[in-house]
Amino acid sequence: AQTVTQSQPEMSVQEAETVTLSCTYDTSESNYYLFWYKQPPSRQMILVIRQEAYKQQNATENRFSVNFQKAAKSFSLKISDSQLGDTAMYFCAFMKPLGGGATNKLIFGTGTLLAVQP
Amino acid sequence: NAGVTQTPKFRVLKTGQSMTLLCAQDMNHEYMYWYRQDPGMGLRLIHYSVGEGTTAKGEVPDGYNVSRLKKQNFLLGLESAAPSQTSVYFCAGSGGEGETQYFGPGTRLLVL
Repeated sequence: AQTVTQSQPEMSVQEAETVTLSCTYDTSESNYYLFWYKQPPSRQMILVIRQEAYKQQNATENRFSVNFQKAAKSFSLKISDSQLGDTAMYFCAFMKPLGGGATNKLIFGTGTLLAVQP
Repeated sequence: NAGVTQTPKFRVLKTGQSMTLLCAQDMNHEYMYWYRQDPGMGLRLIHYSVGEGTTAKGEVPDGYNVSRLKKQNFLLGLESAAPSQTSVYFCAGSGGEGETQYFGPGTRLLVL
């Protein structure tokens, strides 16, 4: 069974600085997808970034980028120029598409609470 | 475009009562999901649907039932609520296999 591990329960960063959130996962599959979701105090789950396992190039979305290391099964999120609005819980998630008994479901880590300090 | 919406936002139930949570989407999502979020555990899949008229069990289906009679709606039912079902429930939808899932705002349920 696939598992997702986020080893940093809480992190803090100063405004305008860069922070990296860690995520590792365990799977025997070669085709899958990885996601980072953000959950601010409003509780809404917001997609931050997505990575397809077959793509070697790391995904980027404005100030957010990932370091995808397929062999190491690592998927870290880097937030550059941190802003107060980035304060949230961040969840790493793994998805294996349907087929072969898979459900296309998201498997979530336990989250990292990021606090951006002014 | 409302996206994915959930009704109600908050509900208090007594043990043994029943209720239905409604998820509606106007994004033409083929797939829909119900998750629950408990402290320190991330989100876990309860049930899901890969199309109108289809449902399947997820990781934690016991005590819940679902129906998807119309493509745009996915209902989650609790027949006899238990305190262990106190949680925040999220509905999500996606276009299909491998597609990004988009979440509703959540429903907070308290079972006394």
